[in-house]
Amino acid sequence: GQQLNQSPQSMFIQEGEDVSMNCTSSSIFNTWLWYKQDPGEGPVLLIALYKAGELTSNGRLTAQFGITRKDSFLNISASIPSDVGIYFCAGQMGGFQKLVFGTGTRLLVSP
Amino acid sequence: GAVVSQHPSRVICKSGTSVKIECRSLDFQATTMFWYRQFPKQSLMLMATSNEGSKATYEQGVEKDKFLINHASLTLSTLTVTSAHPEDSSFYICSARVQGDPYGYTFGSGTRLTVV
Repeated sequence: GQQLNQSPQSMFIQEGEDVSMNCTSSSIFNTWLWYKQDPGEGPVLLIALYKAGELTSNGRLTAQFGITRKDSFLNISASIPSDVGIYFCAGQMGGFQKLVFGTGTRLLVSP
Repeated sequence: GAVVSQHPSRVICKSGTSVKIECRSLDFQATTMFWYRQFPKQSLMLMATSNEGSKATYEQGVEKDKFLINHASLTLSTLTVTSAHPEDSSFYICSARVQGDPYGYTFGSGTRLTVV
């Protein structure tokens, strides 16, 4: 099935550092979502983006919906150990449509 | 907030047997539920979309006779893996869409299936 490309594939950073990851697609999406998945758990929604160019924050997390509607970015500021996990982007063509998930970015944070 | 309960969280079964996984929306009605499969260190791949009261829609390459989906009520969808094989071992996750909300998806906590 279709997948979105995420980069980097994995990151190992020091606590307190900022993190950036992105998600690209060959297709246009009308909604972008960012999820975090802890080991052995289902994904949890972090941020939802509904308009091209939109910049949305949720605490230390900031995400942007790319102008072309083919990409999105997630930034995490001042990382902490509990930020460890896998971050997935997901695109949606429109309301009531299925989600297409990215390949994931694995984040490790060293205390 | 909307909560989806998935059960069991872990199951081990013998090859050739069938396993049923339940997905329940606890405090909302879900006309549509989604079933995903996730292999180790990989992303979530949609298997099928389950609609209450009608047949499920399967993604290309997913065997509908092997992965039986039943969505008999607005709060329960089940996935039955029939004649399980070791290659069916995976992490299965359900997701429910809150009725009337085109963008509200809530995920269950997943089921780790191991076929021996």
